[in-house]
Amino acid sequence: EPEVTQTPSHQVTQMGQEVILRCVPISNHLYFYWYRQILGQKVEFLVSFYNNEISEKSEIFDDQFSVERPDGSNFTLKIRSTKLEDSAMYFCASSDNPYSNQPQHFGDGTRLSIL
Amino acid sequence: QKEVEQNSGPLSVPEGAIASLNCTYSDRGSQSFFWYRQYSGKSPELIMSIYSNGDKEDGRFTAQLNKASQYVSLLIRDSQPSDSATYLCAVNLQVKTIFGAGTRLFVKA
Repeated sequence: EPEVTQTPSHQVTQMGQEVILRCVPISNHLYFYWYRQILGQKVEFLVSFYNNEISEKSEIFDDQFSVERPDGSNFTLKIRSTKLEDSAMYFCASSDNPYSNQPQHFGDGTRLSIL
Repeated sequence: QKEVEQNSGPLSVPEGAIASLNCTYSDRGSQSFFWYRQYSGKSPELIMSIYSNGDKEDGRFTAQLNKASQYVSLLIRDSQPSDSATYLCAVNLQVKTIFGAGTRLFVKA
């Protein structure tokens, strides 16, 4: 069964540094998403992306964050000038067509630790 | 603020019993509803989806949806210790999914 893959599985970064989290969505999916989950808290929506544009973003997704689809397979989340509170699990997801009730499929996540 | 509410639990049931998990949501425009299972430190795993009022059964799992009451539930029959996890209710608002905080389920052997 096709799956969403994320790299790295664990990223340790010094506060203030930039970090890029990478995702390879399922190949025939058109919609891509990033979520985060701070330890012990709920999964929070960050951003959705379609046709090389952001479709929707949450209040969390401020100027510190950006997303990009640099080629036909990768989907990246960049966090500039990381803060301690950015420490969380970051999940990438993809779906076929959310307007036809298709579910999102999640990758295994990247655990980001900011020191 | 669009919310999805769940009882955080923990819900503890004996092996072989029925576990009943509940969820309410605030946005009446929500169209599709999902239950994900999340083991500690792992990603959410889709176990059920439901779009229409009524019941939907898949193996030991039954999802129930009542749009008038803005209520979604998940029944797990013949609960097994391997079902012990956090169950996340999720609501699709077109291009984003709003998750509840999850209900922790413990199935005692």
